[in-house]
Amino acid sequence: QKEVEQNSGPLSVPEGAIASLNCTYSDRGSQSFFWYRQYSGKSPELIMSIYSNGDKEDGRFTAQLNKASQYVSLLIRDSQPSDSATYLCAVNPSGATNKLIFGTGTLLAVQP
Amino acid sequence: DADVTQTPRNRITKTGKRIMLECSQTKGHDRMYWYRQDPGLGLRLIYYSFDVKDINKGEISDGYSVSRQAQAKFSLSLESAIPNQTALYFCATSQGNNQPQHFGDGTRLSIL
Repeated sequence: QKEVEQNSGPLSVPEGAIASLNCTYSDRGSQSFFWYRQYSGKSPELIMSIYSNGDKEDGRFTAQLNKASQYVSLLIRDSQPSDSATYLCAVNPSGATNKLIFGTGTLLAVQP
Repeated sequence: DADVTQTPRNRITKTGKRIMLECSQTKGHDRMYWYRQDPGLGLRLIYYSFDVKDINKGEISDGYSVSRQAQAKFSLSLESAIPNQTALYFCATSQGNNQPQHFGDGTRLSIL
């Protein structure tokens, strides 16, 4: 059973702080990794894709991938109350050709 | 206009009724997916299709069927709805290998 694990939270951070969200996955051959943001009752929205080891930055978001440790993270700098949402980690495991495995998500609460 | 459109957005119905949820997309993607989301369980794949002639079961296909009427249309049917099929349903699309999925706005389905 290929799995994606996330801490359900809530992760509470003050406004302006860095939020760090973590995700581990079981399939060592996984090839692509995605972070989605989901507001309550809304659809998942893609915010980051990462395919190779290291960091990838996009505005206030940085995705970090370590395939050896089977670990992917998302950093949100200068967190805003509008960042309060559930963040879903999704992994494309080996051989699956785009059948993503989703974690259950981490609830982030940014306190004003 | 949304790139991935789901209809209806909300539906309340009774046990035993046949229900169809529809999804259409203007993104030109070849791959389409149906998920359900329940609190604490995350997104679970019901069915997916990689082209018009291709239909595949996901992890929770029992009680559901699908039809890929055209590249842009993918419908989900509940032949005889039961209360534990009450959930938030999402359609998603993607193009090519290792690419992210893009979600519709969802259908909130309640079965009494």
